[in-house]
Amino acid sequence: AQTVTQSQPEMSVQEAETVTLSCTYDTSESNYYLFWYKQPPSRQMILVIRQEAYKQQNATENRFSVNFQKAAKSFSLKISDSQLGDTAMYFCAFMKQGRGGADGLTFGKGTHLIIQP
Amino acid sequence: IAGITQAPTSQILAAGRRMTLRCTQDMRHNAMYWYRQDLGLGLRLIHYSNTAGTTGKGEVPDGYSVSRANTDDFPLTLASAVPSQTSVYFCASSEQADQPQHFGDGTRLSIL
Repeated sequence: AQTVTQSQPEMSVQEAETVTLSCTYDTSESNYYLFWYKQPPSRQMILVIRQEAYKQQNATENRFSVNFQKAAKSFSLKISDSQLGDTAMYFCAFMKQGRGGADGLTFGKGTHLIIQP
Repeated sequence: IAGITQAPTSQILAAGRRMTLRCTQDMRHNAMYWYRQDLGLGLRLIHYSNTAGTTGKGEVPDGYSVSRANTDDFPLTLASAVPSQTSVYFCASSEQADQPQHFGDGTRLSIL
């Protein structure tokens, strides 16, 4: 079974700063996907970014980018020019490829990110 | 607006009662999922369905059942609720089983 570890329960940064959230995972699979989800106080789960394990290029979505290190099993999220609206819980998640949904997403325990004005 | 609708938004339930959480999506997604979210534990998969007519067990299926009679609906039933099932329940769907999942807004369920 795979595991996902987020070692930072809570982080706080000033608005406009850059912040990096850590995520490591353990798996014996070769083909998989990694995700970052954002959960603001509204409780919605919002997909932030997705990375396919077979792609060497790091995914980027506007101010959000990842540093994917497959050999180290590391998948960190960088948020540039942080905004007050970025305050939320952030979950790292893993999904095996081609398993027909049987394992769904495996989530880390989350990092509570607070953006200070 | 296309998406996933969960009902009810929240519910307080006496232990031993039967409860069905509803989930409907209008995106014609093939795969659907139920997760529970507990403080400090993240989200854990309860049951899933790859396509209408099929279901499977996730990480924490005990005490829950699901059905998938059609593409749009994926109800989750607690046959006899227990306090340990107090949680926030999320329904999710994806176009295919290994595609990104879209989530509903969740149901907060409290079992007393």
